[in-house]
Amino acid sequence: IAGITQAPTSQILAAGRRMTLRCTQDMRHNAMYWYRQDLGLGLRLIHYSNTAGTTGKGEVPDGYSVSRANTDDFPLTLASAVPSQTSVYFCASSESGNPNQPQHFGDGTRLSIL
Amino acid sequence: GQNIDQPTEMTATEGAIVQINCTYQTSGFNGLFWYQQHAGEAPTFLSYNVLDGLEEKGRFSSFLSRSKGYSYLLMKELQMKDSASYLCAAMDSNYQLIWGAGTKLIIKP
Repeated sequence: IAGITQAPTSQILAAGRRMTLRCTQDMRHNAMYWYRQDLGLGLRLIHYSNTAGTTGKGEVPDGYSVSRANTDDFPLTLASAVPSQTSVYFCASSESGNPNQPQHFGDGTRLSIL
Repeated sequence: GQNIDQPTEMTATEGAIVQINCTYQTSGFNGLFWYQQHAGEAPTFLSYNVLDGLEEKGRFSSFLSRSKGYSYLLMKELQMKDSASYLCAAMDSNYQLIWGAGTKLIIKP
């Protein structure tokens, strides 16, 4: 089934540890996104990529990095996790960054930093 | 600044009609999206409006007024499975989505 796969589904992590959240899509979409979702707040964009080889910063990029070596994969790395990064992380993709093309979401990674 | 406002929670009865309102303020505007999100699941796309007016899609319709910075999602013949959060998001001039916190819709039998 075509779509977006995120891994892991959930993770408990000690503060200070490095963690990479994986995201893979098989729809050949050009644009990909990482969001975090916290209770009482809207989805907030962390980083995005409009096409393979390019990335950009979203609203809340500090403490996170991304890479886009190919069309399908868009991993998100927390270099040194802190408790405020406890959240649900969603990866999304769209055919391009054009307005009329909706974003499709993965099932999310629930991350707890202790 | 950029802002999306929508009610935190609404309750409706199975078989009835409900309207979820959303107001937005963004730097530039490239359209308004509605998504549905069931608890513990991913958001799924419902509708997109960029021109003023009503877009109908089955039991769901979405309305946009650009001059008022206002949209609503109208849901008819409510079913229990419609219990979910409904997320309003406006696309700004940088083609990034600004998201509301979501409206939790509770459907009662």
